[in-house]
Amino acid sequence: DVKVTQSSRYLVKRTGEKVFLECVQDMDHENMFWYRQDPGLGLRLIYFSYDVKMKEKGDIPEGYSVSREKKERFSLILESASTNQTSMYLCASSLDRGQAFFGQGTRLTVV
Amino acid sequence: GENVEQHPSTLSVQEGDSAVIKCTYSDSASNYFPWYKQELGKGPQLIIDIRSNVGEKKDQRIAVTLNKTAKHFSLHITETQPEDSAVYFCAAIAHGGYQKVTFGIGTKLQVIP
Repeated sequence: DVKVTQSSRYLVKRTGEKVFLECVQDMDHENMFWYRQDPGLGLRLIYFSYDVKMKEKGDIPEGYSVSREKKERFSLILESASTNQTSMYLCASSLDRGQAFFGQGTRLTVV
Repeated sequence: GENVEQHPSTLSVQEGDSAVIKCTYSDSASNYFPWYKQELGKGPQLIIDIRSNVGEKKDQRIAVTLNKTAKHFSLHITETQPEDSAVYFCAAIAHGGYQKVTFGIGTKLQVIP
């Protein structure tokens, strides 16, 4: 089975901190994604990557950056965390045929 | 870009009844339509999908229908059970180049025992 692992289930960070959310997949997928999930807003795409060192902005990239140095790992970075970035963050990976596999999610609280 | 609308946002049904969730999409290039189920505290998991060359697909109590002309697709769950209670997301994807998935807003389904 495909496994997508997010490094933390719960995180509490202070405003202004630099935050790293890590995601690793074990199926050699080309595509990886970061979404945030908020009540009433569904899943919104922050960034995605279709290859190592390649990245593309999603629908809400402001305040975030990403890094993909290795195929299996895709990191989401909050350069200076703010309270409006309190959310559930979901990582996903997929092959080119469409089926995406999700991690368990990281619930980030910024205080 | 693609826009996916999903409704209803919440749905309550009695155990044993059927549930239907509907989605519409805007990009005629979309050709793959997965449905995801997200249980409390977990990430979404694929439950069924359909490609644009097929009009209907079934898997036990779950079925998905696609109307390409009208650009809408639906999830049908028959004989609902309490364990079907979850949030369901539809999505639309256009192949070619790199892949970008656009999700609907989600439907919270509650099956009442």
